[in-house]
Amino acid sequence: DGGITQSPKYLFRKEGQNVTLSCEQNLNHDAMYWYRQDPGQGLRLIYYSQIVNDFQKGDIAEGYSVSREKKESFPLTVTSAQKNPTAFYLCASSNPGERETQYFGPGTRLLVL
Amino acid sequence: AQSVTQLDSQVPVFEEAPVELRCNYSSSVSVYLFWYVQYPNQGLQLLLKYLSGSTLVESINGFEAEFNKSQTSFHLRKPSVHISDTAEYFCAVPRMEYGNKLVFGAGTILRVKS
Repeated sequence: DGGITQSPKYLFRKEGQNVTLSCEQNLNHDAMYWYRQDPGQGLRLIYYSQIVNDFQKGDIAEGYSVSREKKESFPLTVTSAQKNPTAFYLCASSNPGERETQYFGPGTRLLVL
Repeated sequence: AQSVTQLDSQVPVFEEAPVELRCNYSSSVSVYLFWYVQYPNQGLQLLLKYLSGSTLVESINGFEAEFNKSQTSFHLRKPSVHISDTAEYFCAVPRMEYGNKLVFGAGTILRVKS
């Protein structure tokens, strides 16, 4: 089955710690995205990547970092500089031929201890 | 800049009643419009989309939305809701400053009561 997987489903971070959220897709999509979701605020774009080895900042990139070494993978690191990391994180992917239609993974909930 | 406004943060409705979830957009370019649905603690799923052609688009589970260019709206409707329709619904439109990647509205929580 084609799709997007995110792991882990729940992640706990201690103060001052960096954590990495995994996102893998087997849809052969070129573009991948990371969003942060907070109650009542919809989805906010953190980073996106249109091709391998290239990525751009979204609206709220501060305190986050990404890499895109493989087409299938787009991991997100939440660094210690992100002072309010508790949120639901969603990864998505899309193909240029599908007119910006994005497909989402199941999400990772990050909690701060 | 393009933006999306969902006018209602929550919509309570009784089972089998009709519902309308409102979405207005601002865009100066050709418009694609999307509705996504999110069930609790899950990712978003594409519900329906307007790309071109007929202004009325339908989903497989009875929802429909109509693209209204003069009113810059893309409201989502269902004539009779079920308990299982309880979820959060997001409207989305492409955003030029990010290479036409989507910008999402704040979401509308649909609560269907028995």
